[in-house]
This record gives sequence, C-alpha cells and structure tokens, in this order.
Amino acid sequence: EPEVTQTPSHQVTQMGQEVILRCVPISNHLYFYWYRQILGQKVEFLVSFYNNEISEKSEIFDDQFSVERPDGSNFTLKIRSTKLEDSAMYFCASTGLSNQPQHFGDGTRLSIL
Amino acid sequence: SQQGEEDPQALSIQEGENATMNCSYKTSINNLQWYRQNSGRGLVHLILIRSNEREKHSGRLRVTLDTSKKSSSLLITASRAADTASYFCATAPQAGTALIFGKGTTLSVSS
Repeated sequence: EPEVTQTPSHQVTQMGQEVILRCVPISNHLYFYWYRQILGQKVEFLVSFYNNEISEKSEIFDDQFSVERPDGSNFTLKIRSTKLEDSAMYFCASTGLSNQPQHFGDGTRLSIL
Repeated sequence: SQQGEEDPQALSIQEGENATMNCSYKTSINNLQWYRQNSGRGLVHLILIRSNEREKHSGRLRVTLDTSKKSSSLLITASRAADTASYFCATAPQAGTALIFGKGTTLSVSS
C-alpha cells in the first residue's frame, strides 16, 4: 500500500539554525498538510497546500515557516530560525480527494538544543 | 474554534473485552476521522465517517456519529494486546480542510 514517507526520522539542531523537513506524499495525491505534535500534547495543524499554493494555515505557521513543493514528488517544511519551542514531532499528510482520509507519515522528531 | 475531545483519557481492559471511546465536538463538520497512534509512531487512519452517515464498520471497529449531539464513538470489539495505542478523533469542518484533533484516549489492553 502506498505510504507517505518523511525524512529524516530525527533531526537535532541548534537554536537559531534553519531546518528543512522533507516529505514524499502518496504519488497521485493532490492535497498536502503539515501538522506537529509537541510531546504529550494534541496534534496541531500547521498548513495545507493545494494546487501549488497554501490553502490554509494556522496561527502557529508564522513568518519563520515556509512550505514548498520543489518538484512533482517532494513537499518540504522549512523553519528559518528555530526556537526551543519548535521541538516537536512534525507530521506530513496527504489525500487524493478533499473528502477522503488524510494519510500520515511516521513523522520527523525535531529536537532544538 | 471547534475541537474533538475524547473520553475517557485512559482506558485499561483485558484482552477479549470491548473498548468504547467517545468524542465530542463543537461546530458543524463535513466528516470525522478516527486515528490510532502507537507510541512514537505516526497516525494510522482507521475510519472516516461523513456528516450524513450514522454508523460505519471496519473489521472489529464500529464508529457511530450523532450530529445532533455533536458526538461520535469508536467501539473496538474483542480487543487484543496489539490494540494498545492512543486513539484520536479528528474533525474536518469542510472537505479537504485542516483536521482538528482531540487529546486522545490511551488504550491499554493486557493479556
């Protein structure tokens, strides 16, 4: 069964550094999402992407964050200058049709030191 | 803002017993989805139920939706130790929009 894949599985970065989290959505999917889950807390929506542009974003997704679909397969989340509070598990998700389930990757654990 | 809130927060049962988890939300939805998360892993989709549906089944899983009460339940029948995980409901106000997750129910099934 097709899967959403995320790399790296774990990223350790110094505060203030830039990080890029990578996702390969399921190949025929059209809608892409990033969520995060701070340890012990609920999953929170960051941003959704459709037709090569952001379709929705939360208040968490401030100017430090950006997303890109540089080619036909990758979907990236960039955090420009990381803060301690950015430490979390980041999940990518995709879906083929808007009324279908969102399929999640295994996540990238981001640790900011 | 709307939320999915599950109860109970934690549930411990013996293998073979049924587990019921409930979810409440605040505003209108297009669909409601249930996910499972094993410790340290990603979210695995279980069932999606649309606002015009009342019940769905998938194997040992049964989901109900009551839009008048803004609530849903997930029933796992004949539970197994492998069902031990956290279970989340997530609501979508419209098709394709962001999912709003609840805090989850942690299910422990002992053999």
